[in-house]
Amino acid sequence: QKEVEQDPGPLSVPEGAIVSLNCTYSNSAFQYFMWYRQYSRKGPELLMYTYSSGNKEDGRFTAQVDKSSKYISLFIRDSQPSDSATYLCAMRVYNFNKFYFGSGTKLNVKP
Amino acid sequence: DGGITQSPKYLFRKEGQNVTLSCEQNLNHDAMYWYRQDPGQGLRLIYYSQIVNDFQKGDIAEGYSVSREKKESFPLTVTSAQKNPTAFYLCASSISTGNTGELFFGEGSRLTVL
Repeated sequence: QKEVEQDPGPLSVPEGAIVSLNCTYSNSAFQYFMWYRQYSRKGPELLMYTYSSGNKEDGRFTAQVDKSSKYISLFIRDSQPSDSATYLCAMRVYNFNKFYFGSGTKLNVKP
Repeated sequence: DGGITQSPKYLFRKEGQNVTLSCEQNLNHDAMYWYRQDPGQGLRLIYYSQIVNDFQKGDIAEGYSVSREKKESFPLTVTSAQKNPTAFYLCASSISTGNTGELFFGEGSRLTVL
């Protein structure tokens, strides 16, 4: 079993829709959670970084962590065609510099 | 602007040749990483370094080598022993110490073996 599971998609939505992207994990020691956006042939760009449980909002993006369920989500409101990309979740343990990644979900927002 | 610079962006290599990918960062980060990305497989860790002159193997180190002679630089050599080297290679860095530390990536190097 992989430490981090992520549905690869592709996920196709109309412009303006609310998008929900999710990852599950097995290691209860994970405390830091990240979401990256990766456009084709580019390096991943950090979108959101959260610690422990709870929500964090930044513009149209909301990251949610539920440690009791070992489940994290990224919500995108009012999705735009420019949001079309692959979204990667990542996580790490406190004070240990190894990162664990999901395989990425490909999102397509249709105009 | 601070960031991570990878070069070259595209590289072609004949079978049996070694090739070195460059990674330079000016973020003053202690830790640096090399990942390989293949379609449908996500990111796989090749090597990482938490401090100058020290590095550790990741999950797929066979056929690769690295050095960390300066804090800013972490070059990756893909050797002829790597059986399937065609891939997208990503360099990353993070602050090593303490309880913070997001991972920041370069723009990647695409290696194609002919």
